[in-house]
Amino acid sequence: GAVVSQHPSWVICKSGTSVKIECRSLDFQATTMFWYRQFPKQSLMLMATSNEGSKATYEQGVEKDKFLINHASLTLSTLTVTSAHPEDSSFYICSARSPTYEQYFGPGTRLTVT
Amino acid sequence: QKEVEQDPGPLSVPEGAIVSLNCTYSNSAFQYFMWYRQYSRKGPELLMYTYSSGNKEDGRFTAQVDKSSKYISLFIRDSQPSDSATYLCAMRHNDMRFGAGTRLTVKP
Repeated sequence: GAVVSQHPSWVICKSGTSVKIECRSLDFQATTMFWYRQFPKQSLMLMATSNEGSKATYEQGVEKDKFLINHASLTLSTLTVTSAHPEDSSFYICSARSPTYEQYFGPGTRLTVT
Repeated sequence: QKEVEQDPGPLSVPEGAIVSLNCTYSNSAFQYFMWYRQYSRKGPELLMYTYSSGNKEDGRFTAQVDKSSKYISLFIRDSQPSDSATYLCAMRHNDMRFGAGTRLTVKP
């Protein structure tokens, strides 16, 4: 099946610093990618929809200036958590929509802010 | 009312049992129905994918969609300890919507 990768898989950063997470679709072009956040024992929560070449669409309650999304190519979207705080510690998952509209998830990135 | 409702469980069954996981939804526009399996500390993986109503079988897994009742199910036959995971239903019209996920434990 289609593969979506994320990097890094695990990151620890200090409060106030910024962290960039990459999401790549390895064997298909994805005009649309999605970013989710998952807190322990909770379901995935959609943060934003990323469309190649245009601005991301953020869900209500998600700060676009804090969670910067760039979808510069058909195979790469990045999520930058700016000025991270401990409450941003979470599991961040991206997914990519294939040309036939299936959605494939990345393995996730565990962010810990100390 | 949430668009997709899924009992979060937890659900615990003995090895070999038949497991039934279900979701209900309110948006009749949903056309694509999916089940994802998520192991602890991992991203969700697509397990079953169904378009519109009907049944789909893949090995020990059977997905059912009843659009008239707005109800989808995932059945796992001969459940194994390795099936222990959280199962999320998802459905899509233009955008994806997920259930809360049901945590399943299959005990040896």
